[in-house]
Amino acid sequence: AQSVTQLDSHVSVSEGTPVLLRCNYSSSYSPSLFWYVQHPNKGLQLLLKYTSAATLVKGINGFEAEFKKSETSFHLTKPSAHMSDAAEYFCVVSVPLYNFNKFYFGSGTKLNVKP
Amino acid sequence: DAGVIQSPRHEVTEMGQEVTLRCKPISGHNSLFWYRQTMMRGLELLIYFNNNVPIDDSGMPEDRFSAKMPNASFSTLKIQPSEPRDSAVYFCASRAGGSSYEQYFGPGTRLTVT
Repeated sequence: AQSVTQLDSHVSVSEGTPVLLRCNYSSSYSPSLFWYVQHPNKGLQLLLKYTSAATLVKGINGFEAEFKKSETSFHLTKPSAHMSDAAEYFCVVSVPLYNFNKFYFGSGTKLNVKP
Repeated sequence: DAGVIQSPRHEVTEMGQEVTLRCKPISGHNSLFWYRQTMMRGLELLIYFNNNVPIDDSGMPEDRFSAKMPNASFSTLKIQPSEPRDSAVYFCASRAGGSSYEQYFGPGTRLTVT
């Protein structure tokens, strides 16, 4: 069975401190993994993706994520939070299923950045 | 490219009325998705088209909801009759082929049913 678990529904950090948003997945196949960000009243925007190449993936706005197969994790990190990072973040797994791809979305993590 | 285009951006209607949401995917993309987002239920996949054919409609809530994709550049999501509990933001997304290709989301349609 396939699934995505975002371990924290809310994360609060101070501006300038590191960000860690956790994501664990379960998949019978070699997955593709994505992180999306959604700012208030906006659509979802791709931050980064893992597609079986380098396990450390760099995305936009200074975010990066590391694919760890042994831990079935794909945690999102940023060294120093900025106020503009306050948003909701979704971890997504894509797996092949028959002749198409199935996408599984995590429940989202809301990031609050304090001044 | 203009990205995924959705219309209208906002829709307010009375209970019982028919609502039609529209989506134009990115040119060349062969998959299209309709999602619904609410505070209570989060982001839910409603239906997924591949090459204009519905592949997975298990997320469509009930018979009041229907979706069509008459060609590669246009899709509609219709609710008839609408109910207050249908109030949500509806997103359309498209993607190119291959498992590693990400989905590109439209700006969404905020639907309010009074």
